Amino acid sequence: NAGVTQTPKFQVLKTGQSMTLQCAQDMNHEYMSWYRQDPGMGLRLIHYSVGAGITDQGEVPNGYNVSRSTTEDFPLRLLSAAPSQTSVYFCASSSGTGDTGELFFGEGSRLTVL
Amino acid sequence: AQSVTQLDSQVPVFEEAPVELRCNYSSSVSVYLFWYVQYPNQGLQLLLKYLSGSTLVKGINGFEAEFNKSQTSFHLRKPSVHISDTAEYFCAVSYTGRRALTFGSGTRLQVQP
Repeated sequence: NAGVTQTPKFQVLKTGQSMTLQCAQDMNHEYMSWYRQDPGMGLRLIHYSVGAGITDQGEVPNGYNVSRSTTEDFPLRLLSAAPSQTSVYFCASSSGTGDTGELFFGEGSRLTVL
Repeated sequence: AQSVTQLDSQVPVFEEAPVELRCNYSSSVSVYLFWYVQYPNQGLQLLLKYLSGSTLVKGINGFEAEFNKSQTSFHLRKPSVHISDTAEYFCAVSYTGRRALTFGSGTRLQVQP
């Protein structure tokens, strides 16, 4: 099973450029989310979605957009990259059955903004 | 607001010694608690979880954790660590009715020969 797949794994951007981090899951999970990981700060929730067509903001949403047109895909868009967005980004999903919050993670996308 | 505190940013330990990684969370009526492990350049994988029932939870790779409601703690333990346990460990909490996880800042376990 592929699980949660993120692309690209590495990306370097210049300030002001835009890009999209892709996330796809093949487990038919309703819930998908994006986190960023920074040293000493753990993982912080950017945006999440409880199903196709439904998205909401997390703890640190500024500078990021998301959409959820299908159950499988949850792309994260940076419209105008800033050096403060240099980070490792993780996509995660969980099943709609139960409400335990157990997440399945992708391998991460390392983004550097110059 | 919910929060998770991991009291140690780094824990050095010798191989075959016991280890405890500490985690405290902000109080709530009902919580689910998790420990995730992250090996270098990889995503996070679930180590163990507490949903309800027995307060002592056993996970993969010989790890266990104890839920203590009165102290709002969920400390992770292993009686004898291996070099391969070197990784970063994250404690996380979710509250009933919400699926978003709140993570602690992580503890880097460094197992030395």
